[in-house]
Amino acid sequence: GDSVTQMEGPVTLSEEAFLTINCTYTATGYPSLFWYVQYPGEGLQLLLKATKADDKGSNKGFEATYRKETTSFHLEKGSVQVSDSAVYFCALRVAAGANSKLTFGKGITLSVRP
Amino acid sequence: DAGVTQSPTHLIKTRGQQVTLRCSPKSGHDTVSWYQQALGQGPQFIFQYYEEEERQRGNFPDRFSGHQFPNYSSELNVNALLLGDSALYLCASSLGSILSTDTQYFGPGTRLTVL
Repeated sequence: GDSVTQMEGPVTLSEEAFLTINCTYTATGYPSLFWYVQYPGEGLQLLLKATKADDKGSNKGFEATYRKETTSFHLEKGSVQVSDSAVYFCALRVAAGANSKLTFGKGITLSVRP
Repeated sequence: DAGVTQSPTHLIKTRGQQVTLRCSPKSGHDTVSWYQQALGQGPQFIFQYYEEEERQRGNFPDRFSGHQFPNYSSELNVNALLLGDSALYLCASSLGSILSTDTQYFGPGTRLTVL
């Protein structure tokens, strides 16, 4: 079945450090890929998405490129801030349309220290 | 424009009891999906409602049931609660059209604790 694998956490970085969070997927079709972020005490917020191979999603300084050949969608940010501390989830959606279910990875906790 | 809202925020129940969680979708959305997020895990899809009918279902037992009302709001019901049902329950809304390229918007969740 469809699945998402995220690197083990947690991750602790100093402010202004470079961030990479790995995500790989297995899917039967051609999925759309997403990164969601969950701040403490809040629900999930869409951070960025990519719907086809070689697409790059970007938002708030975060970027991820849809790599079909390596089935990956790694999240990167050049300079993290304390406010980026949160849990990050990689997810995929196989069928067309926003109404199709999302399959999530386990998530990884990022802590950024001043 | 109100986003997705859920109630209650927190709930404590005992084993064997029944619980009802509620969700109001984002304005303009007609589809509601429910997810269960156990501690330290990613959300898992329970089911989805569109036009007052269950359209998709994940690998959850029949103890989990739902309903969608004409105003698109939704309820999640869980019967015969088990300790393992303790989790954050997330509601997500979206447009039901298969042509929609929009995404799902999540509510803040209901934290259910089963003792």
